[in-house]
Amino acid sequence: AQKITQTQPGMFVQEKEAVTLDCTYDTSDPSYGLFWYKQPSSGEMIFLIYQGSYDQQNATEGRYSLNFQKARKSANLVISASQLGDSAMYFCAMREYIIQGAQKLVFGQGTRLTINP
Amino acid sequence: DVKVTQSSRYLVKRTGEKVFLECVQDMDHENMFWYRQDPGLGLRLIYFSYDVKMKEKGDIPEGYSVSREKKERFSLILESASTNQTSMYLCASSLRHSAYEQYFGPGTRLTVT
Repeated sequence: AQKITQTQPGMFVQEKEAVTLDCTYDTSDPSYGLFWYKQPSSGEMIFLIYQGSYDQQNATEGRYSLNFQKARKSANLVISASQLGDSAMYFCAMREYIIQGAQKLVFGQGTRLTINP
Repeated sequence: DVKVTQSSRYLVKRTGEKVFLECVQDMDHENMFWYRQDPGLGLRLIYFSYDVKMKEKGDIPEGYSVSREKKERFSLILESASTNQTSMYLCASSLRHSAYEQYFGPGTRLTVT
């Protein structure tokens, strides 16, 4: 079974600095996908970025990029030029095939990011 | 705009009560999911459904059941609520063979006293 580990329970960063949130994963499947979600205090889960295991380049979406190091089984999220609105809980997740083509997400423990003005 | 809605944002119930959490999606998605979120544990899958009337247990199904009578609606049922079921409950949906993201509802924070 897949496993996701996020070792940083909390991170504090000054506004406008870049921040890296760590994520390591474990799987025996050669084909897999990795996701990052943001959860503000309001509670909804917001999809940020996706990386497929066969993607040649690291995924990027605006200020978000995924530092994918396959050999090390890590998929760190990098947020450039952090903003106060980036303060939230961040979850790393991996998809796992279950049944009838459906896929579930296996989540890490989450990292609470706080951006200081 | 994609939409997953949950019937309540906050809910307070007493031990032993039967509790229904409702989730509705308007994207014609085949797959629907119920997750539970607890501090330090992330999100864990309780049940999922890949079609109407079809359901499968997730990682922590004990104490829960589900119902999916219509494609757009997926209900989570706590037959006899207990204090250890106090948690945040998140519903999600996705296309059947989607390799990409699931769409989440706003969550229901349930307190069982």
